[in-house]
Amino acid sequence: DAKTTQPPSMDCAEGRAANLPCNHSTISGNEYVYWYRQIHSQGPQYIIHGLKNNETNEMASLIITEDRKSSTLILPHATLRDTAVYYCIVSGLRGGGSQGNLIFGKGTKLSVKP
Amino acid sequence: DSGVTQTPKHLITATGQRVTLRCSPRSGDLSVYWYQQSLDQGLQFLIQYYNGEERAKGNILERFSAQQFPDLHSELNLSSLELGDSALYFCASSVATAAWDTQYFGPGTRLTVL
Repeated sequence: DAKTTQPPSMDCAEGRAANLPCNHSTISGNEYVYWYRQIHSQGPQYIIHGLKNNETNEMASLIITEDRKSSTLILPHATLRDTAVYYCIVSGLRGGGSQGNLIFGKGTKLSVKP
Repeated sequence: DSGVTQTPKHLITATGQRVTLRCSPRSGDLSVYWYQQSLDQGLQFLIQYYNGEERAKGNILERFSAQQFPDLHSELNLSSLELGDSALYFCASSVATAAWDTQYFGPGTRLTVL
């Protein structure tokens, strides 16, 4: 069972920021928050991950609350190509089961509209 | 392009048959994971190998087996195939097995059992 809660779907206007929330209230101290996305039936694509601090890379920003019970993935300028299912995953020796395998939930289907 | 390759891209076979799916991890990655994605079950972890040794098992059926070879490529063998085995099979690789080792996914093999 997934250890995260995400809204099933969201819409975003092209060019605007997409803010995807995730709740992980049972996260433990050694567990990381990972974000992946899957475009249609392609392989899941890694976006970003973090432990405590906010993170930013060329794709997105990850904001983790101070208590680590929730996070937000931010796509700063969404394009039509960002339409995908976005998965928030808690990964750790406890969260992912043995040795860090990923447990995928249902994710958030983000639709970017022109 | 994640650097993980999978062959074949598509496979169509009949019930009762046996197939082998192949995965080549990213250069330098020692850990390989197999996941199954069916319409009703979502993405599910099957099995993980690290440097040739089985490291973790998920919801893998007894009819399925895998191995990782000395050159680190991995094969997933599916036997006595049933209609319900039709799914996308993804391979992922990571440097090692820590919770902070990002998994990178291949493009997948679509298996259709008729």
